[in-house]
Amino acid sequence: DGGITQSPKYLFRKEGQNVTLSCEQNLNHDAMYWYRQDPGQGLRLIYYSQIVNDFQKGDIAEGYSVSREKKESFPLTVTSAQKNPTAFYLCASTPKGALWKNTEAFFGQGTRLTVV
Amino acid sequence: KQEVTQIPAALSVPEGENLVLNCSFTDSAIYNLQWFRQDPGKGLTSLLLIQSSQREQTSGRLNASLDKSSGRSTLYIAASQPGDSATYLCAVRTNAGKSTFGDGTTLTVKP
Repeated sequence: DGGITQSPKYLFRKEGQNVTLSCEQNLNHDAMYWYRQDPGQGLRLIYYSQIVNDFQKGDIAEGYSVSREKKESFPLTVTSAQKNPTAFYLCASTPKGALWKNTEAFFGQGTRLTVV
Repeated sequence: KQEVTQIPAALSVPEGENLVLNCSFTDSAIYNLQWFRQDPGKGLTSLLLIQSSQREQTSGRLNASLDKSSGRSTLYIAASQPGDSATYLCAVRTNAGKSTFGDGTTLTVKP
């Protein structure tokens, strides 16, 4: 079955360390996104990528980095520069083409990152 | 800048009631509006997608409406069940690659 897979489900990091969250999709979608969700709040866009080897900053990109070397993969690195990294991270994707903005977004099950 | 507001933040109803969740947005120049369901600690499940040219979408006991001119959408849930308990999020897409989410409404349906 097609879908988006995020791993790991839970992640613990010590302060000062970088950590990378995985997001893989086999939906053949061109566009992929990373969101952050804090308790009781909606989602805020960190980075997004419309095609391979291209990505743009979202609303809260500081302290994060991404790469898009393959169509199916969009890993997110939470760097030590991110001041408040403990949160729930969600990856999403949408199909390709000029009409992609009119299509549904599909989400992974999320990764809960805790800084200890 | 697009702002999305969902009211109420939390709602508790007895089983069997019909209910309405509200979503308002400040910029009416949207491409689509999507309603999601989120269970605790889980990802988002898409419920309904309304294109900017549509007025409503229905799926089973769910009906979502869209009034672009007034910047409002509602999600109507008929004959609520305990399994409907979750957080419901609305998201509007206003330009390429970006959607703005509301903070969600947490629904509890009591048996």
